[in-house]
Amino acid sequence: GQQVMQIPQYQHVQEGEDFTTYCNSSTTLSNIQWYKQRPGGHPVFLIQLVKSGEVKKQKRLTFQFGEAKKNSSLHITATQTTDVGTYFCCTGANSKLTFGKGITLSVRP
Amino acid sequence: DAGVIQSPRHEVTEMGQEVTLRCKPISGHDYLFWYRQTMMRGLELLIYFNNNVPIDDSGMPEDRFSAKMPNASFSTLKIQPSEPRDSAVYFCASTYHGELFFGEGSRLTVL
Repeated sequence: GQQVMQIPQYQHVQEGEDFTTYCNSSTTLSNIQWYKQRPGGHPVFLIQLVKSGEVKKQKRLTFQFGEAKKNSSLHITATQTTDVGTYFCCTGANSKLTFGKGITLSVRP
Repeated sequence: DAGVIQSPRHEVTEMGQEVTLRCKPISGHDYLFWYRQTMMRGLELLIYFNNNVPIDDSGMPEDRFSAKMPNASFSTLKIQPSEPRDSAVYFCASTYHGELFFGEGSRLTVL
């Protein structure tokens, strides 16, 4: 099945800094979804990308699907303490949805 | 809708005991997934159902694990016998067209 990798697993930023993380695959992906899990919570859907080169924005978050559909990025502009949590990318073929290991973001106030 | 409902939220049991986790998906969703989350292995897909039929159980770690979905509004994940390495948070999620809705999870501790 399709698999995705997220490296590193942890990142620390100063509040107000920008943050970018990537999700990579060795194979062409049919789609990418991004989820956010707050500490002690459950994953919550953020966005789905399907088309090559697709870019979607949600307030300070920008999501992009690579032209070759083998990677995706999540960019947060001017991080805030509310952005703390673990961000997962997820992909699936035939509805078998599998997740990357996630990146845990901490924000220093 | 109340969302995906899981029970129990917390379970502490002793090694060798049977554990049953329960899930009520969102009404109208035709896919149901069971995931296990640990620090070491992240979110692992255990099994998923479509219209109550198990589609892929290749992620179920051992024969000690079993899952059923007797109807569209209920699923169980059973571990028998439980072992300390089964300690994890178990999430149930449902979807209709791609976006997964997760329950709040069942945190299992096996002593």
